[in-house]
Amino acid sequence: NAGVTQTPKFRVLKTGQSMTLLCAQDMNHEYMYWYRQDPGMGLRLIHYSVGEGTTAKGEVPDGYNVSRLKKQNFLLGLESAAPSQTSVYFCASRAFHRGLNTEAFFGQGTRLTVV
Amino acid sequence: SQQGEEDPQALSIQEGENATMNCSYKTSINNLQWYRQNSGRGLVHLILIRSNEREKHSGRLRVTLDTSKKSSSLLITASRAADTASYFCATDLTGGGNKLTFGTGTQLKVEL
Repeated sequence: NAGVTQTPKFRVLKTGQSMTLLCAQDMNHEYMYWYRQDPGMGLRLIHYSVGEGTTAKGEVPDGYNVSRLKKQNFLLGLESAAPSQTSVYFCASRAFHRGLNTEAFFGQGTRLTVV
Repeated sequence: SQQGEEDPQALSIQEGENATMNCSYKTSINNLQWYRQNSGRGLVHLILIRSNEREKHSGRLRVTLDTSKKSSSLLITASRAADTASYFCATDLTGGGNKLTFGTGTQLKVEL
């Protein structure tokens, strides 16, 4: 039982390059989330998904796209990376149990630098 | 702007003392959660309190929720150096579409 796994853990991109961050969870959770964390800003929600095939925008969605083709995977894409997207990205998942939302489980993060 | 705001932003105490951090939020919630983050690591869930609860305990942690004031507090009793971390509150908004939004965090340092 690996929990939430993010790949890659580190990446350096040049401005304008594209990349995809992968989040995989093995807990059969319905909900999945992508956050970015910048110094002094806490965690800001980029996009999230409440089930396979569904996605929704969070607080800071611009410049990012997501897909959830399989329940266990949530992909975050950067089509044309910008230095402002330098950040640490966290994925999280959680269950919906007996009509109530539950706690979230987090991956270890992806440190992305755009130069 | 973010839904939750923690106060203080930073807190430094001696081992054995109690640490209290507060979270204020803006709109109606279903539940409020507290998380801990060690430097450079992922967040770990500590405790969840639902909107119809006023107080909850877990080991050395005590969380209160005052929905009339839209605020919550996290108390860590008899703190240890290992409690040094950042602490975040997160809210599930009523009618919020299952978003989970985080505050800006409190950095706690527990010194020997």
